[in-house]
Amino acid sequence: GAGVSQSPSNKVTEKGKDVELRCDPISGHTALYWYRQSLGQGLEFLIYFQGNSAPDKSGLPSDRFSAERTGGSVSTLTIQRTQQEDSAVYLCASSSYHTGISGNTIYFGEGSWLTVV
Amino acid sequence: AQTVTQSQPEMSVQEAETVTLSCTYDTSESDYYLFWYKQPPSRQMILVIRQEAYKQQNATENRFSVNFQKAAKSFSLKISDSQLGDAAMYFCAYRSAGTGRRALTFGSGTRLQVQP
Repeated sequence: GAGVSQSPSNKVTEKGKDVELRCDPISGHTALYWYRQSLGQGLEFLIYFQGNSAPDKSGLPSDRFSAERTGGSVSTLTIQRTQQEDSAVYLCASSSYHTGISGNTIYFGEGSWLTVV
Repeated sequence: AQTVTQSQPEMSVQEAETVTLSCTYDTSESDYYLFWYKQPPSRQMILVIRQEAYKQQNATENRFSVNFQKAAKSFSLKISDSQLGDAAMYFCAYRSAGTGRRALTFGSGTRLQVQP
C-alpha cells in the first residue's frame, strides 16, 4: 500500500479480554516496528521485525504481549488479559532495508487507540 | 544505550516568527541517523526532516532546517515563518546505522503552540 495501514483505528475492550491489533506495512518494506504511546507520553519501543531474522522483543513489557509477522508482511500485536494500564495508542511503522538515509527512514501508521475499561 | 533528550516540554511562537526546538543525544557510535517527527492531534507521526551523521551539511526542508553539531551531540530544529498548522508535538529521534539496535530511540517530545 501507499502508507502503513493499521486497524482498528479505535478499540474499547473490557479488562481481562484479549485484543489483536493489525499492521500492514508499506509494500516492499522488510522492517516493521511496534511502539506504544500512553496519554501525554513519549514513544515506547515494543518489538522490531527484520526480514526472516529473529525479532527484537526487548521492549515488550510483559508476557501478555506478543506479536507475529506472517509472510514477512502483515503483523499482529496481541495483548492478552488486558489491563487498564494497557490503554494507549499503539503505533506501527516500517522501513526498507537499504543503505543510506532512505533505507533508514521509518514511516508510521495512524495508530490504534486502545481503551481498556 | 543511546538516549535522546528534549529539554523543552512546551514552546510557543507567534505566527510568522521563527522558533528553535532543542535536542541532544548520547551515543558512542560514529555513524547514525537523526530525525524530527511531528505528531498533530491526529496522532500520526509525520517525518519532518532527517540528517545523516557523516554529513556535515545541515538538512533543510522548506521552512524547516536543523543545526547539527556532531561533537556537541546536538540536533536542533528551526521552524521559520511559523504557521498555525505547525502546532503539534515534535519528537527528536535517533537511529543506529550499525547492526545493533535498529529501532528508533525517541526523546520525550516538545509541544509547540503557534499563536495567531
